[in-house]
Amino acid sequence: SAVISQKPSRDICQRGTSLTIQCQVDSQVTMMFWYRQQPGQSLTLIATANQGSEATYESGFVIDKFPISRPNLTFSTLTVSNMSPEDSSIYLCSVEDARAYQETQYFGPGTRLLVL
Amino acid sequence: AQSVTQLDSHVSVSEGTPVLLRCNYSSSYSPSLFWYVQHPNKGLQLLLKYTSAATLVKGINGFEAEFKKSETSFHLTKPSAHMSDASEYFCVVSVYYKYIFGTGTRLKVLA
Repeated sequence: SAVISQKPSRDICQRGTSLTIQCQVDSQVTMMFWYRQQPGQSLTLIATANQGSEATYESGFVIDKFPISRPNLTFSTLTVSNMSPEDSSIYLCSVEDARAYQETQYFGPGTRLLVL
Repeated sequence: AQSVTQLDSHVSVSEGTPVLLRCNYSSSYSPSLFWYVQHPNKGLQLLLKYTSAATLVKGINGFEAEFKKSETSFHLTKPSAHMSDASEYFCVVSVYYKYIFGTGTRLKVLA
């Protein structure tokens, strides 16, 4: 399986600021995903990021709040913009199994964000 | 529409006794189903997956799950719990890479 790293691993931010989270994978993958896990809750898909196209956002998430970049097949960033305390969550990236038709995702360690 | 329901938010077992974590799914399509474990302060680790091959799926660390279409269930089991199994477990249904997570089951293992 792919090895995925995220930076930063955790951060404490002031409301109104923005934070960019990086996701790096050690092999080329077509599909990358960003999830949010609010405190004590399950994971919710924010968006799917394919290289060479605009990210596809899920209902309830918008590009102005969560802009995503996918400049190549091994890297993606998620920005949390104009943060409020409600954005305090763990943000995780994942990648699809490079083998065809596996429908399996592998997850990074997550970024723990606290907004004051 | 696809959905997944984990029937227990918390499960406690004694070390050495069997583990059963329950998951029911709803899907209009032939689903792919997964179990992940989330250890504290770590990402999610894939335990096992069902993708329309054998209905009894064996995973890592002695876990297995059985796909029962008639019951729309995909329960996770382990014959003998170990202290290191204490974690949060998520059942996931996927249709064309869209992952829908269950609400999670926190497993506690008592010494």
